[in-house]
Amino acid sequence: DGGITQSPKYLFRKEGQNVTLSCEQNLNHDAMYWYRQDPGQGLRLIYYSQIVNDFQKGDIAEGYSVSREKKESFPLTVTSAQKNPTAFYLCASKAGELYNDEQFFGPGTRLTVL
Amino acid sequence: AQSVAQPEDQVNVAEGNPLTVKCTYSVSGNPYLFWYVQYPNRGLQFLLKYITGDNLVKGSYGFEAEFNKSQTSFHLKKPSALVSDSALYFCAVKAGANNLFFGTGTRLTVIP
Repeated sequence: DGGITQSPKYLFRKEGQNVTLSCEQNLNHDAMYWYRQDPGQGLRLIYYSQIVNDFQKGDIAEGYSVSREKKESFPLTVTSAQKNPTAFYLCASKAGELYNDEQFFGPGTRLTVL
Repeated sequence: AQSVAQPEDQVNVAEGNPLTVKCTYSVSGNPYLFWYVQYPNRGLQFLLKYITGDNLVKGSYGFEAEFNKSQTSFHLKKPSALVSDSALYFCAVKAGANNLFFGTGTRLTVIP
């Protein structure tokens, strides 16, 4: 899983609560990403950030928020507006703007809404 | 828009036999294609990529992939499957300036 850490590994949330998932990388990568993984649907992009203090919505940003105050950190908040938040969440990073750079993934956080 | 399709949800192969996991793509312009593997409850690991050059790309753990422009395919292959190859495999294509679009995944089971 390279130099990307995600915490916690498992997270349980009650309906109506906001929760924040942590993602930290020590690879000195510029770009960072959040994906959601559901069975049979592959990975869907939630948000991404190419530089500090800048981020863009992905395909399924509704009900989520992010911040990028430091190069190393890209936390994801799952808000109460997200109707079906139970999923496996993956964070990734990429070295730069070269089109052929692959993304490196963290180990993931499994969020369950009770 | 860029996209990839993985037509098989599940592939079963006997240990020692060759394996193929299929991927087809749809892109405007030159395709930049990737394969990743995911073990249970883990993140994705990069296997290989095609950017340009030889149509046969060699990657990690003995995997290779064949780029076929006329068939718009990028199938993942391995000459002799191991039980430890059992995992979920994702094909991906560069989408936009800095992003990837992932397929829905193919679960490979290698039977001892």
